[in-house]
Amino acid sequence: NAGVTQTPKFRILKIGQSMTLQCAQDMNHNYMYWYRQDPGMGLKLIYYSVGAGITDKGEVPNGYNVSRSTTEDFPLRLELAAPSQTSVYFCASTLGSYGTEAFFGQGTRLTVV
Amino acid sequence: GQNIDQPTEMTATEGAIVQINCTYQTSGFNGLFWYQQHAGEAPTFLSYNVLDGLEEKGRFSSFLSRSKGYSYLLLKELQMKDSASYLCAVDDYKLSFGAGTTVTVRA
Repeated sequence: NAGVTQTPKFRILKIGQSMTLQCAQDMNHNYMYWYRQDPGMGLKLIYYSVGAGITDKGEVPNGYNVSRSTTEDFPLRLELAAPSQTSVYFCASTLGSYGTEAFFGQGTRLTVV
Repeated sequence: GQNIDQPTEMTATEGAIVQINCTYQTSGFNGLFWYQQHAGEAPTFLSYNVLDGLEEKGRFSSFLSRSKGYSYLLLKELQMKDSASYLCAVDDYKLSFGAGTTVTVRA
């Protein structure tokens, strides 16, 4: 049972480049989330999804896009990367809308230079 | 909006007890989670409180007062492996996290 899988683990991007961070879960969870964590800080919610075809903005959505075409996958797209997007990105999933434990992927460490 | 406050750092000695406080002012509230995060790793679940009172789970206990917007995580019999960041998170149909408290356990 893989849980939540994120790829890649590390990436260096140049300013203005684009990339997609992949996230997949095999637990049949309805809810999926993308967070970013800056050094010494907590996690800030970028986007979340309550099911296939449904996404919504979190606290810090600017500069990012998501899609949810299947229950399993929730990719995060960065367009025109900026140094402010240097961070560690975590994908998470939960079975239900509340009261259920979130399972996290191992994170993607992104540096924009 | 969400406002979740925790102390930034705490230091304690091996075998001691440490209490990490979390206060919150949020637009919605279903319950409160505590997560542990070791450096360079993903957060892992510790506890969830939905009703007022104390929940005990081995060396870790978590308390919630909904009326006061207050929770704490109590770590007893501290071990070196407990050195980590502890994140409180409000459950409002999505998780909103505090900045985390870094606990350092000294021998």
